[in-house]
Amino acid sequence: NAGVTQTPKFRVLKTGQSMTLLCAQDMNHEYMYWYRQDPGMGLRLIHYSVGEGTTAKGEVPDGYNVSRLKKQNFLLGLESAAPSQTSVYFCASSSWAINQPQHFGDGTRLSIL
Amino acid sequence: AQKITQTQPGMFVQEKEAVTLDCTYDTSDQSYGLFWYKQPSSGEMIFLIYQGSYDEQNATEGRYSLNFQKARKSANLVISASQLGDSAMYFCARPLASGANNLFFGTGTRLTVIP
Repeated sequence: NAGVTQTPKFRVLKTGQSMTLLCAQDMNHEYMYWYRQDPGMGLRLIHYSVGEGTTAKGEVPDGYNVSRLKKQNFLLGLESAAPSQTSVYFCASSSWAINQPQHFGDGTRLSIL
Repeated sequence: AQKITQTQPGMFVQEKEAVTLDCTYDTSDQSYGLFWYKQPSSGEMIFLIYQGSYDEQNATEGRYSLNFQKARKSANLVISASQLGDSAMYFCARPLASGANNLFFGTGTRLTVIP
């Protein structure tokens, strides 16, 4: 049971470089989310998707882009990485039912030098 | 306005004792839910328990239960018979808006279980 899989698990970038984080889920969930977690803070929503081909901004969307070309995949892109984007990134998925929990990947630790 | 408040940055509990982790929320919505997640030192987010605002009884899941007080807008997590494996960060979360799936997380409480 894979659930939600994030790749890569760790990455170090230089300021100005770009990269894409991949999230894949095998639970046929409609909704997918990208969060970031910084020390001393809870998770903050970056972008989310309510279905294939749709995306929307969350609480902290600046500097990130997302795409959901297939239902099972949700990509998070950093076009020009900045040190302020050093964080742990979590992907999650859920069904449409509001009383069902979000299922999380194991996270990606990203450092921007 | 703060949507979720967890006022205890850190808590200690003796093994086999019960502990309550506080969570208060800010909403004018009539319908909403509250979630609790556990994050051990390994980093993954583990769903523990859910409480719906219209649920008449407090939610329970094994050793986890919610002390849900709607009038006080609090949904405190109670862990009974604490185990060493309960040492972790605990996050309370609620939907950003009524009917929404997006969650707003509190800043968390670090629980340490003492042998």
